[in-house]
Amino acid sequence: GQNIDQPTEMTATEGAIVQINCTYQTSGFNGLFWYQQHAGEAPTFLSYNVLDGLEEKGRFSSFLSRSKGYSYLLLKELQMKDSASYLCAAMDSNYQLIWGAGTKLIIKP
Amino acid sequence: DGGITQSPKYLFRKEGQNVTLSCEQNLNHDAMYWYRQDPGQGLRLIYYSQIVNDFQKGDIAEGYSVSREKKESFPLTVTSAQKNPTAFYLCASKGSSDTGELFFGEGSRLTVL
Repeated sequence: GQNIDQPTEMTATEGAIVQINCTYQTSGFNGLFWYQQHAGEAPTFLSYNVLDGLEEKGRFSSFLSRSKGYSYLLLKELQMKDSASYLCAAMDSNYQLIWGAGTKLIIKP
Repeated sequence: DGGITQSPKYLFRKEGQNVTLSCEQNLNHDAMYWYRQDPGQGLRLIYYSQIVNDFQKGDIAEGYSVSREKKESFPLTVTSAQKNPTAFYLCASKGSSDTGELFFGEGSRLTVL
């Protein structure tokens, strides 16, 4: 079956760095997405990886290893506004998204 | 500004009633999607439409219905046959960019009393 695993909750300190991991098993693979979702709001797109390696976009970076079925989202210089849920989603061979349950990130001062 | 508008944001329904959630987009996107989000679970696909006058069932279509008569609009009806309809419903659209990212509406929270 198809499956996405990511931690349920993580806590980090303002100004620090946090890495949110995601492992996936899909029928075929056409890319890995990360979205940010604040409580009660819509998810917003953060990153897309289809090739192995690290993609950097400001304070946020995303890494993909296709051979390991593994991705991570790295958040640097954490700010209080980064408190949110981070959703990992893999696109299968039919170009359908398989979603993880999300990682709730709590930032403490 | 371009975007996706869902309405209503909050909706209360009595058991046995049908309710329709509106989703309108002005992004000129062909593909539109309806997801359901429950606590502790990933987004689950209800229905999707890749072109006007055509739509496909997703993973949890039972108890739901949709229509796609216009490119801009993709309303979702939650029928009385849906056994556990209380949830957060998200509408999304996808353009033709290389990444294929989804653009989401603000969501509609349905509570069945």
